[in-house]
Formats: sequence, structure tokens, C-alpha cells
Amino acid sequence: EDKVVQSPLSLVVHEGDTVTLNCSYEVTNFRSLLWYKQEKKAPTFLFMLTSSGIEKKSGRLSSILDKKELFSILNITATQTGDSAVYLCAVPRTYKYIFGTGTRLKVLA
Amino acid sequence: GAVVSQHPSRVICKSGTSVKIECRSLDFQATTMFWYRQFPKQSLMLMATSNEGSKATYEQGVEKDKFLINHASLTLSTLTVTSAHPEDSSFYICSARDQENTEAFFGQGTRLTVV
Repeated sequence: EDKVVQSPLSLVVHEGDTVTLNCSYEVTNFRSLLWYKQEKKAPTFLFMLTSSGIEKKSGRLSSILDKKELFSILNITATQTGDSAVYLCAVPRTYKYIFGTGTRLKVLA
Repeated sequence: GAVVSQHPSRVICKSGTSVKIECRSLDFQATTMFWYRQFPKQSLMLMATSNEGSKATYEQGVEKDKFLINHASLTLSTLTVTSAHPEDSSFYICSARDQENTEAFFGQGTRLTVV
């Protein structure tokens, strides 16, 4: 059965800390992995990863995929309170996306 | 990124009535749209997938007669919750993509409260 597992489930850090969020997957015919950030409303797209070892970066956020070990990490450096959110990873599979349960990040001032 | 607009953002309705939620892709053609339901502090639960001009594919356990999905054009899909009951109260989110294996973009979500 296809599955996407995220860890940790929740995380509390202080502003300025660096965090690493994990997403492991077992999905047949894997082609890509997506990261989303969900605050109070609907998820917003962060990254799409298709190739192993190539880091994608946007400001303080970066992400990388390891297709051999079947996981991806999302790094956030110098965290701010505005980074508090649920971070979701998803893997497209045929006609739908398989979502992980999410990591709930809380950044304290 | 592409824009998906969902309307209304919030709706309160009486038990037994029907509610329609619209999802529009504003700057791309959405060949596939997805409808999700999300309970507090839980992940997204896929309800159904719709392709333009075809019948929606419902996930197991989702009542197709209760949650009517129409995807009549490449930019619009609607979800109608028929004969709503308080247990249907939830956050409903749509997303859309233009091609397979691309990112999907999400609407703002609709918080439905049935009283």
C-alpha cells in the first residue's frame, strides 16, 4: 500500500533555531514529491522535487530529495514566528496525491 | 504560482438544506480538480477527484449522492453538500492542477457549519 510518513508529528522551537522536517515515502512509480505549508486556511505550495540530490531553495527554506533512501527533508533556518504552520508533503500517484499527516511546527518568540 | 479561488470562504446553513461550494482556476486550465475535507488538527482527506467533462471518482466511504461534484468546464468545479447535517460541518478544500505529475494549487477553503 502506498504511504507517506512525516516526522516529527509536532515540533516546538525558539526563533532563530534551525529545523529539519522529514518525509519518507513508499509509492509505486514515484515521480515527484511536493511540500506545502498550511497555516490557518488552505495549503500553499513550497517545492516540487523530482531529482535526487538537487537542493531547492527559497529564502530560508530549502528541500532535498533522496530517491535511493525514499525520503525528503525540508529545512528552515533562522526560524521566525511566521513559520509556525503545518508542513505537508505529498506524492502524486496516478490520479491523486497521497499526503502525509503533516508536521505541526510552532516557533516561539 | 497559479491561483485557485474557492467560494464561499465561510457558510452557515440549516440542517436539511443544500450548500454549493465553487472552485475556480483563475489563470490555468484545471484538467483535474480535487476535493478534500479536513477536520481540526488532521491532515487532508481526499473526498473525490474530478476530471473536466467526466464523472467524479469518489474515495471509499464518501457518499456520492450526498456530495455532488460537477466539473463542467476547465476552470470550474462545484461541490454540493446535499441535505446537510451537523456532522457535515468541516473545512472543505479544493485543489486543481493542469497536468499529471505537476503541483496542485489549493483554494482558500470553505468552512461549513451546519446548525
